[in-house]
Amino acid sequence: GDSVTQMEGPVTLSEEAFLTINCTYTATGYPSLFWYVQYPGEGLQLLLKATKADDKGSNKGFEATYRKETTSFHLEKGSVQVSDSAVYFCALSDQGYSTLTFGKGTMLLVSP
Amino acid sequence: KAGVTQTPRYLIKTRGQQVTLSCSPISGHRSVSWYQQTPGQGLQFLFEYFSETQRNKGNFPGRFSGRQFSNSRSEMNVSTLELGDSALYLCASTYMDGETQYFGPGTRLLVL
Repeated sequence: GDSVTQMEGPVTLSEEAFLTINCTYTATGYPSLFWYVQYPGEGLQLLLKATKADDKGSNKGFEATYRKETTSFHLEKGSVQVSDSAVYFCALSDQGYSTLTFGKGTMLLVSP
Repeated sequence: KAGVTQTPRYLIKTRGQQVTLSCSPISGHRSVSWYQQTPGQGLQFLFEYFSETQRNKGNFPGRFSGRQFSNSRSEMNVSTLELGDSALYLCASTYMDGETQYFGPGTRLLVL
């Protein structure tokens, strides 16, 4: 079945540092890929998405590129802020179905 | 446009009781999905409803059930509660593209 693997956290960074959170996937079809963010005590917020190979999703300074050859969708940000501290989830939706398969989440802690 | 709303936000129940959670999707969204989030198992798909019909179901026991009304609002019910049902229950409504999901704030259920 489908699966998503994320790097374990927490990832601890200083403000303005470069962020990478790794995500790889296994899917039988041609999935769409998503990054969601969860702040403490809240639900999930859609951060960005990509629907086909070589697509780049971007939002609020975050970027991720759909790499079919490496089955990856790594999240990057050039300069993190304290307000980016949250848990980040990578997810896939296979062949247009509205069922998301999530990774286990990566906690990001940014210190001033 | 209003987001996904879930009620109640917090619930405390005792073992053996049953509980009903409610979700109102974003206006115009016809598909509603439910997920369970726990520290141990992460985010797991429960079921999806579209036009009042269950379209997809995750691997949960029959104690977990749901329904959708003609106005797309959805409810999920858990009967004979167990301690392990303590979790954050998230509802998501699906955009017209059929795969992008927007989440509500969740209902946090504690079973004592």
